[in-house]
Amino acid sequence: DAGVTQSPTHLIKTRGQHVTLRCSPISGHKSVSWYQQVLGQGPQFIFQYYEKEERGRGNFPDRFSARQFPNYSSELNVNALLLGDSALYLCASSLGGRGLLDTQYFGPGTRLTVL
Amino acid sequence: AQSVTQLDSQVPVFEEAPVELRCNYSSSVSVYLFWYVQYPNQGLQLLLKYLSGSTLVKGINGFEAEFNKSQTSFHLRKPSVHISDTAEYFCAVSPSHGQNFVFGPGTRLSVLP
Repeated sequence: DAGVTQSPTHLIKTRGQHVTLRCSPISGHKSVSWYQQVLGQGPQFIFQYYEKEERGRGNFPDRFSARQFPNYSSELNVNALLLGDSALYLCASSLGGRGLLDTQYFGPGTRLTVL
Repeated sequence: AQSVTQLDSQVPVFEEAPVELRCNYSSSVSVYLFWYVQYPNQGLQLLLKYLSGSTLVKGINGFEAEFNKSQTSFHLRKPSVHISDTAEYFCAVSPSHGQNFVFGPGTRLSVLP
């Protein structure tokens, strides 16, 4: 079975632009979570979605938004990019139902560089 | 709010030696605890988790961790490390309602031949 997949692998944007990152969960998983990992730091929780509804939100500005589709895939959108948004963006999927307590399976991430 | 401290940013150790990676947390509510490993250029993989029950938790690849509520610690141990254990290790906590997830800054374990 395929694991969590994310696209694109790498992305370069300039300040002020908008970006969309995509995630496909493991088949059968209904929950997707997004994390931001700045170089040299631990991941920071951004969002969790379950059955297309937001179940949790971390301390990120409104420039960050996400959604989950009927097939349980997800998009993370970031508007008005700042240099500080440069990071590895990780997606994790889980069966769902117990929120973030379910075992999360992480994808390889999307490396975003903002110039 | 929860916070996680991993005091050692880097831990070098020789192959076949024991290792302990330290994790301390702060929380005003009950928490669940996790250890993840991140190999170079890969996503995170769950090593083990403590939700309830026995305070000694065994995980994959020979790792184990002990939950100590009085010391608010969840240290990770392995009796004999291999070169392949070289990676970044992250401790994480989640409040019992599971609506947030806080990672520590990570400890880079380097296993030397």
